[in-house]
Amino acid sequence: EAQVTQNPRYLITVTGKKLTVTCSQNMNHEYMSWYRQDPGLGLRQIYYSMNVEVTDKGDVPEGYKVSRKEKRNFPLILESPSPNQTSLYFCASSSTSGGLNNEQFFGPGTRLTVL
Amino acid sequence: AQKVTQAQTEISVVEKEDVTLDCVYETRDTTYYLFWYKQPPSGELVFLIRRNSFDEQNEISGRYSWNFQKSTSSFNFTITASQVVDSAVYFCALSEPDRDDKIIFGKGTRLHILP
Repeated sequence: EAQVTQNPRYLITVTGKKLTVTCSQNMNHEYMSWYRQDPGLGLRQIYYSMNVEVTDKGDVPEGYKVSRKEKRNFPLILESPSPNQTSLYFCASSSTSGGLNNEQFFGPGTRLTVL
Repeated sequence: AQKVTQAQTEISVVEKEDVTLDCVYETRDTTYYLFWYKQPPSGELVFLIRRNSFDEQNEISGRYSWNFQKSTSSFNFTITASQVVDSAVYFCALSEPDRDDKIIFGKGTRLHILP
């Protein structure tokens, strides 16, 4: 089944404790992206990646890191989480065949709480 | 700069009524893509439609229809004969592939269909 998986689905942590949210897709998509969703603010793009070893900042990259060492995986790293990073996080992927910006397939979301 | 405005934060209609969700975008490019996504109460994000800037034909898919008007920079979404299952948050999104690969989402419209 074609899907984007994220782990963990729920995480409660404390300020300053490094964490990684994993994202994996099995559709051989080139484009992968991370978003955060906050009430009243909608979805905001954190980082995106056009392909392996190619990453770029989205609109809200501060406090986050990503890596794209393999095509299928795109982990989101919070080196020193803070309470303002409490949010719902979505990973997404899409094919770039025929040009960019085909539909994105989203993961189920990770609800992160930073105390 | 890219911008997507969904002015309606929340809408409530009675079942079987028609409802239109507004989306106004700003772009400096001639080539761009517009999207609509649905987020039901279960939380996942579901792709509904993609439209490129060179295709102004309106689209109909069952009870859903989209009206793309470049002259007013709008990409509105209409649900005909609404049903309770249409209750969700709906997001409009924009990308400009010739500028960068970011995707900008609107803040979303929460739609309540009342039985």
